[in-house]
Amino acid sequence: EAQVTQNPRYLITVTGKKLTVTCSQNMNHEYMSWYRQDPGLGLRQIYYSMNVEVTDKGDVPEGYKVSRKEKRNFPLILESPSPNQTSLYFCASRPHGGFETQYFGPGTRLLVL
Amino acid sequence: DQQVKQNSPSLSVQEGRISILNCDYTNSMFDYFLWYKKYPAEGPTFLISISSIKDKNEDGRFTVFLNKSAKHLSLHIVPSQPGDSAVYFCAASENQGGKLIFGQGTELSVKP
Repeated sequence: EAQVTQNPRYLITVTGKKLTVTCSQNMNHEYMSWYRQDPGLGLRQIYYSMNVEVTDKGDVPEGYKVSRKEKRNFPLILESPSPNQTSLYFCASRPHGGFETQYFGPGTRLLVL
Repeated sequence: DQQVKQNSPSLSVQEGRISILNCDYTNSMFDYFLWYKKYPAEGPTFLISISSIKDKNEDGRFTVFLNKSAKHLSLHIVPSQPGDSAVYFCAASENQGGKLIFGQGTELSVKP
């Protein structure tokens, strides 16, 4: 089954404690992205990657890091989380070409105290 | 500054009637537009798209209209069904590159 998986699905942490949200896809897609969803702001792209070792900033990259060492994985790293990073995070992947075939993961709800 | 705007946070429609969801954009370089649908506790799923070389695209009950001069697109759902109740996001990209800009979303409620 084609899917994008994220872990953990729910996370409560404290300010300043480094964390990583993993994302993995089994469709051999070139493109992967991270988005955050906030009330009144919709979905905003954090980072995207067009292939292994190729990453670029989206609209709201501040406070986040990513890496793409393998095609299937695209972890999101928060080196020093702050309360304004409390949000619902989605990972997505798609093949080269249109966004029509972009698959989203189920989301990770993060609370930073 | 929000480059893609959905000014109606919510919309309520009777089953069987038409639902019209609107979206405005400011960046004239956008040349590809999409609508995604999102149910609670799930990731968004693709619904319909339109290229800037067209002004209309239809897929079953869903039609997207693009007015480039007004920088406006709309999604029409006819007839609306209770299962269409969800949050709808419009999104835009340049050259279908890596960046995708979303609007704030409109929550559609279709009442039986």
